[in-house]
Amino acid sequence: DTGVSQDPRHKITKRGQNVTFRCDPISEHNRLYWYRQTLGQGPEFLTYFQNEAQLEKSRLLSDRFSAERPKGSFSTLEIQRTEQGDSAMYLCASTTEGGRVNEQYFGPGTRLTVT
Amino acid sequence: AQKITQTQPGMFVQEKEAVTLDCTYDTSDPSYGLFWYKQPSSGEMIFLIYQGSYDQQNATEGRYSLNFQKARKSANLVISASQLGDSAMYFCAMREERAGTASKLTFGTGTRLQVTL
Repeated sequence: DTGVSQDPRHKITKRGQNVTFRCDPISEHNRLYWYRQTLGQGPEFLTYFQNEAQLEKSRLLSDRFSAERPKGSFSTLEIQRTEQGDSAMYLCASTTEGGRVNEQYFGPGTRLTVT
Repeated sequence: AQKITQTQPGMFVQEKEAVTLDCTYDTSDPSYGLFWYKQPSSGEMIFLIYQGSYDQQNATEGRYSLNFQKARKSANLVISASQLGDSAMYFCAMREERAGTASKLTFGTGTRLQVTL
């Protein structure tokens, strides 16, 4: 049973560069979430997909951020013109719907460091 | 807006003892769910336990139990018989449970639990 996977696990980039992260959810899960976690804080919601449709975006998701989920399978999160404040752990989670709990299953995260 | 408050930045507990991690919440939604997640140093969030706002009984999952006091808006996690492997960050989270919503999680700032010999 494969869980949620994320790639890369670590990314170091220089300010101003673009970066892209990938998330592969659990195969039968139609809901996919992106969160950002900074040091000493809990994860904060960024955006949500149901199948291929992006249904909600947080105010945290500035114009430099874009997320996609083509064909409702894997998802990518791109950050353009990175800033030092973008340094964080980016977590992806997936879940299904229709059950009582529908807990979100999280991936191991991508740690981004912007120098 | 939903808000989760965890007032204990760090806790220590001796192996085999029980420990309570505090969580209070604020929401105007009549239907919501409360979660606890564990985050070891590896970074992955691990689901522990869930409590629905309309559940009459407190949730239990093995050594984990959730002390749900709706009137006080608290959802404390109780870990019984602590083990060294329980050392980790613990996050309380909630989601609104209305049809058609994203059901995103709102997290607290976490409590770092250290289990000692």
